[in-house]
Amino acid sequence: GNSVTQMEGPVTLSEEAFLTINCTYTATGYPSLFWYVQYPGEGLQLLLKATKADDKGSNKGFEATYRKETTSFHLEKGSVQVSDSAVYFCALSGDSSYKLIFGSGTRLLVRP
Amino acid sequence: GAVVSQHPSRVICKSGTSVKIECRSLDFQATTMFWYRQFPKKSLMLMATSNEGSKATYEQGVEKDKFLINHASLTLSTLTVTSAHPEDSSFYICSARPGTANSPLHFGNGTRLTVT
Repeated sequence: GNSVTQMEGPVTLSEEAFLTINCTYTATGYPSLFWYVQYPGEGLQLLLKATKADDKGSNKGFEATYRKETTSFHLEKGSVQVSDSAVYFCALSGDSSYKLIFGSGTRLLVRP
Repeated sequence: GAVVSQHPSRVICKSGTSVKIECRSLDFQATTMFWYRQFPKKSLMLMATSNEGSKATYEQGVEKDKFLINHASLTLSTLTVTSAHPEDSSFYICSARPGTANSPLHFGNGTRLTVT
């Protein structure tokens, strides 16, 4: 079945550091891929998405490229801020399903 | 943008009682809504798919008699945790999708349930 694997956290960085959170997936067909962010005490917010191979999703300085050859969708940001501290979830949606399958989440802590 | 409202945000109840959580799509109609459960420091587990006007579809291992789902209108789905026990304490999140299958899911802010 479909699944998503994320790097374990927590990831602790200093402000302005470069961020990479790895995400790989297993899926049949051509899934859509997403990154969601969850700030403390809140629900999930869509950060970015990509619906086909080689698409790059971007938002708020975050980027992720849909790599079919490596089945990956790694999240990157060139310079993190304290306000980026949150839990980040990689997810996929199968091509015939409304369901989202989530990775285990990666907690990011950015120190001033 | 699309907004999903969830209520209440926090609830504390005694063991053996039932709790109802509401999920509303505020500016779009949703024939399908999804209920997730999030354990501490864990990912979201899909519990069930709520279908307007028909029975919900439950994921394997989720007790349908314990987690009652009613999707009575195109903008409202409810999750009722019946005869709650402390192990039901968790963060419950609903989501809905406006438009087509390529539209992203929008999530409510979640409900923190504590059963004492």
